[in-house]
Amino acid sequence: GQSLEQPSEVTAVEGAIVQINCTYQTSGFYGLSWYQQHDGGAPTFLSYNALDGLEETGRFSSFLSRSDSYGYLLLQELQMKDSASYFCAVNNAGNMLTFGGGTRLMVKP
Amino acid sequence: GAVVSQHPSRVICKSGTSVKIECRSLDFQATTMFWYRQFPKKSLMLMATSNEGSKATYEQGVEKDKFLINHASLTLSTLTVTSAHPEDSSFYICSAQSGSYEQYFGPGTRLTVT
Repeated sequence: GQSLEQPSEVTAVEGAIVQINCTYQTSGFYGLSWYQQHDGGAPTFLSYNALDGLEETGRFSSFLSRSDSYGYLLLQELQMKDSASYFCAVNNAGNMLTFGGGTRLMVKP
Repeated sequence: GAVVSQHPSRVICKSGTSVKIECRSLDFQATTMFWYRQFPKKSLMLMATSNEGSKATYEQGVEKDKFLINHASLTLSTLTVTSAHPEDSSFYICSAQSGSYEQYFGPGTRLTVT
């Protein structure tokens, strides 16, 4: 079977940095994706790591260590609008996604 | 970026009736679309993979006769919830891919069965 673990909730203040960790157990691993979802909205793609290392896209960065079956999403200079749920997801064969349980990020003033 | 639409956004139906949800890729062709179900404050659970011109592939535990999927064209997939029951009430989301690793999600359909 496949499983992904990530914290259920994280709280941080505006301007801070927050790291959301994700560990996974899976077969047929192609890469690790991160998606953001605001309440009642559609998930939107944030990043994808197929290889070990750090990928940076503006205020968001994502890291992967395949040997440790571990990745994280780093959000810098937090803004109120970043309050949302963040999902890590494993990309399997055929680009099927298996999602983690999601981390609810609350950004406070 | 690529746009995926879903229709309807909300639907309320009575027990025993069937409901059809449409998923369209508006500005690209999607050979593969995915259907997910999401309960409040929970993760997205993959229900099935919809392939254009062939039968859908259902995940374990998902009844194919209850959740009918048709991918008739490269821009349209439909999910029909047949003989709906209150326990089918949920948020249904589709996604489409155009060849890369990124999936583009629709805005979701909130189904309430009374």
